[in-house]
Amino acid sequence: DVKVTQSSRYLVKRTGEKVFLECVQDMDHENMFWYRQDPGLGLRLIYFSYDVKMKEKGDIPEGYSVSREKKERFSLILESASTNQTSMYLCASSFHGDSQETQYFGPGTRLLVL
Amino acid sequence: AQKVTQAQTEISVVEKEDVTLDCVYETRDTTYYLFWYKQPPSGELVFLIRRNSFDEQNEISGRYSWNFQKSTSSFNFTITASQVVDSAVYFCALSDPTSGTYKYIFGTGTRLKVLA
Repeated sequence: DVKVTQSSRYLVKRTGEKVFLECVQDMDHENMFWYRQDPGLGLRLIYFSYDVKMKEKGDIPEGYSVSREKKERFSLILESASTNQTSMYLCASSFHGDSQETQYFGPGTRLLVL
Repeated sequence: AQKVTQAQTEISVVEKEDVTLDCVYETRDTTYYLFWYKQPPSGELVFLIRRNSFDEQNEISGRYSWNFQKSTSSFNFTITASQVVDSAVYFCALSDPTSGTYKYIFGTGTRLKVLA
């Protein structure tokens, strides 16, 4: 079974803090993704990575950065957290194949920025 | 531009009723994939099905069935004899394998409440 884990289920941070969200997958997937989920907006892609040290901006990258130093780990960084970054953050991974490979998701991190 | 519309924000049914969740998509590509995911209260998105644009056969898996119609750009999901455990948010998603970006476009989700 594919296993995608996220470092925290719930986080409370203060405005201006630097926040790290960690994601680890154990299936040797090349692709990894970070989404945020907000009511009425569905899931929106923040960043994704198709290889170690490679990253691509998604639809809403502003205020975020990412790091992929190892294949199994993909980190999302909020350099200076703001209240509008309060959200549910979901990590996903998939193989990099010729066909569109299925993305498998972690349990999510609910972040509250005060 | 690609788009996925799930017009039903929330649906409530009584246990054992059948329920259909609608998904309408827009794409100019001839090759694409469609997905359904379930998000129970625990938060994790659970993969349910993947369908490519060249396979219009309907699919049945237990109480779940999917109706893919290219003519109407729809990929609807039916739960037969619903159960309380089916209560969740369901997302439909579209991807474009030719874009090279591996992106999914998600709908806004449909919250299904199954009442005992």
